[in-house]
Amino acid sequence: ETGVTQSPTHLIKTRGQQVTLRCSSQSGHNTVSWYQQALGQGPQFIFQYYREEENGRGNFPPRFSGLQFPNYSSELNVNALELDDSALYLCASRREGAYSVYGYTFGSGTRLTVV
Amino acid sequence: SQKIEQNSEALNIQEGKTATLTCNYTNYSPAYLQWYRQDPGRGPVFLLLIRENEKEKRKERLKVTFDTTLKQSLFHITASQPADSATYLCALDMSNNDMRFGAGTRLTVKP
Repeated sequence: ETGVTQSPTHLIKTRGQQVTLRCSSQSGHNTVSWYQQALGQGPQFIFQYYREEENGRGNFPPRFSGLQFPNYSSELNVNALELDDSALYLCASRREGAYSVYGYTFGSGTRLTVV
Repeated sequence: SQKIEQNSEALNIQEGKTATLTCNYTNYSPAYLQWYRQDPGRGPVFLLLIRENEKEKRKERLKVTFDTTLKQSLFHITASQPADSATYLCALDMSNNDMRFGAGTRLTVKP
């Protein structure tokens, strides 16, 4: 198992810019979710993709968007960055079947700082 | 309003004792409940998942209970060790592909 890998590990952007974060899911996993985690808080659900379609979304504005590719890698795009977007962004994947549910495998995250 | 509350921000216990962490929720109807461990600077690591129709699940020194009437889950670590020191997160796994995390409880196990 290769696990979930995220890139980059750290990033500094200026307010108003756009950013793309990347994630490579664990082999065999068909579902990927993205989370935002502020310091001292639990992860906040942004959205989930299953077989390249978004099938769940949390309370985040449309400037947060994503893609999942046929090889199950994915991207999180954030437009018009705001200072409050500074956080740890986590990617998580799991295998979903008709009758089975598993826990998520998380990456180590991308620490985004908006200045 | 919808809330997930984990007991106290921090819990300190002596090595060898049982740690009990609580997760209470209101105005949610999770299909599953999950527990994760998170170390500083790392992503959460999956520990256990329990379904809404299960009362208890065990894995080695870990035990989780789920009471949908009380809207509460208890997470136990028996014979705790200093290596168990971490932040533990509960997560409600909804049937609409939405997962909501609590803020976590920071557990410190002292030798």
